[in-house]
Amino acid sequence: GEDVEQSLFLSVREGDSSVINCTYTDSSSTYLYWYKQEPGAGLQLLTYIFSNMDMKQDQRLTVLLNKKDKHLSLRIADTQTGDSAIYFCAESMNTDKLIFGTGTRLQVFP
Amino acid sequence: NAGVTQTPKFQVLKTGQSMTLQCAQDMNHNSMYWYRQDPGMGLRLIYYSASEGTTDKGEVPNGYNVSRLNKREFSLRLESAAPSQTSVYFCASGHRDSLYGYTFGSGTRLTVV
Repeated sequence: GEDVEQSLFLSVREGDSSVINCTYTDSSSTYLYWYKQEPGAGLQLLTYIFSNMDMKQDQRLTVLLNKKDKHLSLRIADTQTGDSAIYFCAESMNTDKLIFGTGTRLQVFP
Repeated sequence: NAGVTQTPKFQVLKTGQSMTLQCAQDMNHNSMYWYRQDPGMGLRLIYYSASEGTTDKGEVPNGYNVSRLNKREFSLRLESAAPSQTSVYFCASGHRDSLYGYTFGSGTRLTVV
């Protein structure tokens, strides 16, 4: 199937780290992506990882990829209230399609 | 500014009415997509167009039609709207297997009563 799964909610305290997890199905995906959606807005590309990489770091963001388990995670260090949003992982199937997960709503409280 | 433009931003329809959602991109992308977003279900692909002149069904095509008018424009039509089509619709464009992923429009919030 073409299921990309995520947990629906995550709540963290400001300043803590957030870890958002995703499992995907297509091992032939070239890229895996993380998108951020703020309230009332479209999706914006946050970061990506090439399928032959295990880890990618970009400032406060760390992406980990476990190809064996088809598991992708996004870690946000020093989470801020401005990080509150819905986060989607997505895989580029070996077609012209991009398949999205269900989205994880991150809530950051003071 | 370069990007994906969707119109309208909001729409209320009565059951059985028809309408067309418009989408245009100015980034010279080959591929364009229509998704719907529903609570707890993420984004589901309705139709996509890998290149000008081609369209293909996605995960949830029933009740919709599309037209790839030219490289820039990709429209989504609801011929006879149903309450189950109440959703937020997003258009996106991009290149296959690109590290830039897709660029999304700001969405159309559609309510069918």
